[in-house]
Amino acid sequence: QSALTQPASVSGSPGQSITISCTGTSSDVGGYNYVSWYKQDPGKAPKLMIYDVTNRPSGVSNRFSGSKSGNTASLTISGLQAEDEADYYCSSYTSSSAYVFGTGTEVFVL
Amino acid sequence: EVQLVQSGAEVKKPGESLKISCKGSAYSFTSYWIGWVRQMPGKGREWMGVIYPADSDTRYSPSFQGQVTMSVDRSINTAYLQWSSLKASDTAIYYCIRHARRQLVMGGIDYWGLGTLVTVSS
Repeated sequence: QSALTQPASVSGSPGQSITISCTGTSSDVGGYNYVSWYKQDPGKAPKLMIYDVTNRPSGVSNRFSGSKSGNTASLTISGLQAEDEADYYCSSYTSSSAYVFGTGTEVFVL
Repeated sequence: EVQLVQSGAEVKKPGESLKISCKGSAYSFTSYWIGWVRQMPGKGREWMGVIYPADSDTRYSPSFQGQVTMSVDRSINTAYLQWSSLKASDTAIYYCIRHARRQLVMGGIDYWGLGTLVTVSS
């Protein structure tokens, strides 16, 4: 199972919106509405930001939103803040009854 | 606060056996799938599989089936990942994870441990 493809880095200025893409195949992202997104700050455990493509866990800011079109899922961060600077990973359920992760994206707040 | 506390770093030789652990706290341990994610040096994360502590139902990723063994001890809320004969290619960080829902496909991974570094070298 190949990793899902994410851009290595995305940057934006405070207040702007950025979008991180996560591209897979019809055997994972395109075939199921079970894409999740995780934020990881240095030295800390990953934090679930979005599950099942569009859902936010309790406590996650509504500045974070998820979507999917075909084989590509996306995480949008609106009103970018300094605290959003971190690594972000996507994950999808697959036709092998397993999960696959994305390659990861570093978000920089300029 | 839910926590997954993993055992410490290990250094082993090829061919040796190993069992690492993950202790869950502040939640009903038997009610959530608990599992493992591997991250090899300089590589991405790989989902290895999960076990449901209530009945030990275990689901391995095809890539890891037969390579490792997952188990739990419900009496001490602890999950284990075990190798019978380590290889150098098992060198990696292993993260303990908890899936959010009883229906494994839904909900994502809501908690992660901080990882256990396993180094296999002669």
